Amino acid sequence: AQKVTQAQTEISVVEKEDVTLDCVYETRDTTYYLFWYKQPPSGELVFLIRRNSFDEQNEISGRYSWNFQKSTSSFNFTITASQVVDSAVYFCALSELNTGGFKTIFGAGTRLFVKA
Amino acid sequence: KAGVTQTPRYLIKTRGQQVTLSCSPISGHRSVSWYQQTPGQGLQFLFEYFSETQRNKGNFPGRFSGRQFSNSRSEMNVSTLELGDSALYLCASSATQGAVGEKLFFGSGTQLSVL
Repeated sequence: AQKVTQAQTEISVVEKEDVTLDCVYETRDTTYYLFWYKQPPSGELVFLIRRNSFDEQNEISGRYSWNFQKSTSSFNFTITASQVVDSAVYFCALSELNTGGFKTIFGAGTRLFVKA
Repeated sequence: KAGVTQTPRYLIKTRGQQVTLSCSPISGHRSVSWYQQTPGQGLQFLFEYFSETQRNKGNFPGRFSGRQFSNSRSEMNVSTLELGDSALYLCASSATQGAVGEKLFFGSGTQLSVL
């Protein structure tokens, strides 16, 4: 069964600190995708990053980086030098193929507060 | 390119009533998914439509239904509203293939309050 766990409910940091958001997933499929989305106060979720199950190469994109480890089923997301505008709820998500189509499920979210 | 549009933005209903929410996906997108977001349960998957066919359904009672039209616009209906149905309902569309791995583009949601 699919499951995404974000153990951190809320995180509070001071501007310019680095912050890592944890995500652990469960799936029986060998082909799946992992995502991070950001939900600012306006409510609209915004796509941040995506990784497929065959590519464990970790990358950096601007202030964002991610660490995908299949051995521990983890897909952690790091914001370097956080800014106040990073304050939002961050969701980790898993997409896998189900009968007839695909389904994306989300973790419970981690609320990030960045203080000036 | 216009984003995903959801109407109405806010809705107040009373128990027992029914409600219809609307979602217009990004032009060219044929897959539409619906999610219910509550503080306690997070984002829960309701259903996904592709080319007017429901391909996937979450674990919600039959009071929750949806449909998709030939222009890819989608509606979600909740009948016999209960207090627990109060939530932010989010619609998301994805690119033409509607395949696994496609990123979702979300609307701003409809905030439903059931009194």
